[in-house]
Amino acid sequence: DTEVTQTPKHLVMGMTNKKSLKCEQHMGHRAMYWYKQKAKKPPELMFVYSYEKLSINESVPSRFSPECPNSSLLNLHLHALQPEDSALYLCASSPLLRQRREEKLFFGSGTQLSVL
Amino acid sequence: AQTVTQSQPEMSVQEAETVTLSCTYDTSESDYYLFWYKQPPSRQMILVIRQEAYKQQNATENRFSVNFQKAAKSFSLKISDSQLGDAAMYFCAYRSVPIQGAQKLVFGQGTRLTINP
Repeated sequence: DTEVTQTPKHLVMGMTNKKSLKCEQHMGHRAMYWYKQKAKKPPELMFVYSYEKLSINESVPSRFSPECPNSSLLNLHLHALQPEDSALYLCASSPLLRQRREEKLFFGSGTQLSVL
Repeated sequence: AQTVTQSQPEMSVQEAETVTLSCTYDTSESDYYLFWYKQPPSRQMILVIRQEAYKQQNATENRFSVNFQKAAKSFSLKISDSQLGDAAMYFCAYRSVPIQGAQKLVFGQGTRLTINP
């Protein structure tokens, strides 16, 4: 299994809603990532977890709350979002680069989020 | 901070022809990796090719090759014998030293490649 699975594929939510995005991988990767991609723009890193601990937070607003409950699962909890938060949210995973330096990122197909 | 620049927002090529996508980057580091990722309509980012900065030899992967000019900080992608399935958005990306073993990629703005049959 060399896939990163993201659910749901599409999500529409109001500004007062609470929702969660889910990402799962079974490749034994101990680094997991959340990226945000606006239309016709490159992905921008939001968060990175290493060994289930938050290692990078790119100054993301607190209305985005990541969670890594175990080594296979990554969640992104959403609350009180704004319309400008509408974007494609990509999850990725990779082995930690302790000994091998050439490992690539494996990306999921993303969740297309629309905030009304 | 590192920056990656792709100066060609869109490119098109005839099927079976060769096309080159440009990428330049700015860094003060000596140890880094460069990547080309493609993003087809399925939205999944797919690694096309990677280059280690300390290797002088240009990377190749089947029909894909790079021209890495470290002094000029240039990293172009050449696609030979273009196929319809190559149509996608192509992103150049830079990766420096891992942070706690994790990778932090900086992407360029992307080049949308169209293949004309």
